[in-house]
Amino acid sequence: KNEVEQSPQNLTAQEGEFITINCSYSVGISALHWLQQHPGGGIVSLFMLSSGKKKHGRLIATINIQEKHSSLHITASHPRDSAVYICAVRPPSGAGSYQLTFGKGTKLSVIP
Amino acid sequence: DGGITQSPKYLFRKEGQNVTLSCEQNLNHDAMYWYRQDPGQGLRLIYYSQIVNDFQKGDIAEGYSVSREKKESFPLTVTSAQKNPTAFYLCASSLHLRVIVVTGELFFGEGSRLTVL
Repeated sequence: KNEVEQSPQNLTAQEGEFITINCSYSVGISALHWLQQHPGGGIVSLFMLSSGKKKHGRLIATINIQEKHSSLHITASHPRDSAVYICAVRPPSGAGSYQLTFGKGTKLSVIP
Repeated sequence: DGGITQSPKYLFRKEGQNVTLSCEQNLNHDAMYWYRQDPGQGLRLIYYSQIVNDFQKGDIAEGYSVSREKKESFPLTVTSAQKNPTAFYLCASSLHLRVIVVTGELFFGEGSRLTVL
């Protein structure tokens, strides 16, 4: 079973700062997801990555398959970015490849 | 607006009682999922359903039951056999089971918080 580790567990930033959240995993995967859980509890999918880099607005996600590592970057952070960011990985193609293994999340607080 | 609706948002239960959490989606998705979230832990899969009248156990199905009589509905019953039911429960859906493999499109509800008194 894949072990998914996120760092840091908690992160406090000043508005406008550049933020990086890291995710590492122990076993090869077919894809990695970044999710955002807002304070009310609902979850939104941000990205799915199998290689390289994706960008959406101020969010950038990168993955290095060889190093088993992904990063989520937030540029020009804003208080509305305050949330828990969750990394999840999907095993290689085949039976059970839809089953995600989730990290414990990184709680981000952005202070005005 | 299309989305997933979970109810109730908060639920209190006495020990020994069964409770049912509702999950309804109007996204016309075939696949639906139930996850459990505990403090300091990652989400864990309880049950999933690929299509109406079909469902499969996930990693932590013991003490839970589900049904999928309609495409849009996937209720979860937390039975008295579940030893530690206090948790946050999230329902999710995707167009098909395989869609999350291709596009990553997985949609979540707002969750239901169950507390056993």
